[in-house]
Amino acid sequence: GNSVTQMEGPVTLSEEAFLTINCTYTATGYPSLFWYVQYPGEGLQLLLKATKADDKGSNKGFEATYRKETTSFHLEKGSVQVSDSAVYFCALSNSGGYQKVTFGTGTKLQVIP
Amino acid sequence: DGGITQSPKYLFRKEGQNVTLSCEQNLNHDAMYWYRQDPGQGLRLIYYSQIVNDFQKGDIAEGYSVSREKKESFPLTVTSAQKNPTAFYLCASSIGSGKETQYFGPGTRLLVL
Repeated sequence: GNSVTQMEGPVTLSEEAFLTINCTYTATGYPSLFWYVQYPGEGLQLLLKATKADDKGSNKGFEATYRKETTSFHLEKGSVQVSDSAVYFCALSNSGGYQKVTFGTGTKLQVIP
Repeated sequence: DGGITQSPKYLFRKEGQNVTLSCEQNLNHDAMYWYRQDPGQGLRLIYYSQIVNDFQKGDIAEGYSVSREKKESFPLTVTSAQKNPTAFYLCASSIGSGKETQYFGPGTRLLVL
């Protein structure tokens, strides 16, 4: 079956540091890949997505590239801010009838001033 | 503004009691979902519905029930058979089957008295 593995947190960074959160996946076919972000006490919201190999999703300074050869979708940001503190979820979705989304366990990011 | 609303924000359940969590969307989405979120475990799918008057069990449906009488509404009942109901419950919707983005509500935190 499908699975998503992301690095365990919490990840603590100083403001303006470089961020990488690793995500690897196992899936059949050609899934779409997503990063969702959850701020404290809220629901999830889409951060970025990529639907085919070598696609790069980007939003709000965050980027992730769909690497089929390494089955990875690592999230990066060049300079984090305190407001980026949240939990980040990597997810995948396969097509074919029902859109089942498989989520990773989430990585908590804390950015300190 | 289009979106998903969930109510209440906090809900308390007594022993042996059934409680119902509300989820409403005005995005005109066909598909709706209920997830349970526990600390460190990511999201687990409880039930999903692709169209009105149809719904399917997810990975952890035992002790829960749903209905989908209207396109906009997908209430979740946590029954007394659910022995460990304390969790954060998230409702989501998407356009339909496929690889589309899921849109999440703000969540309901259920606590047992």
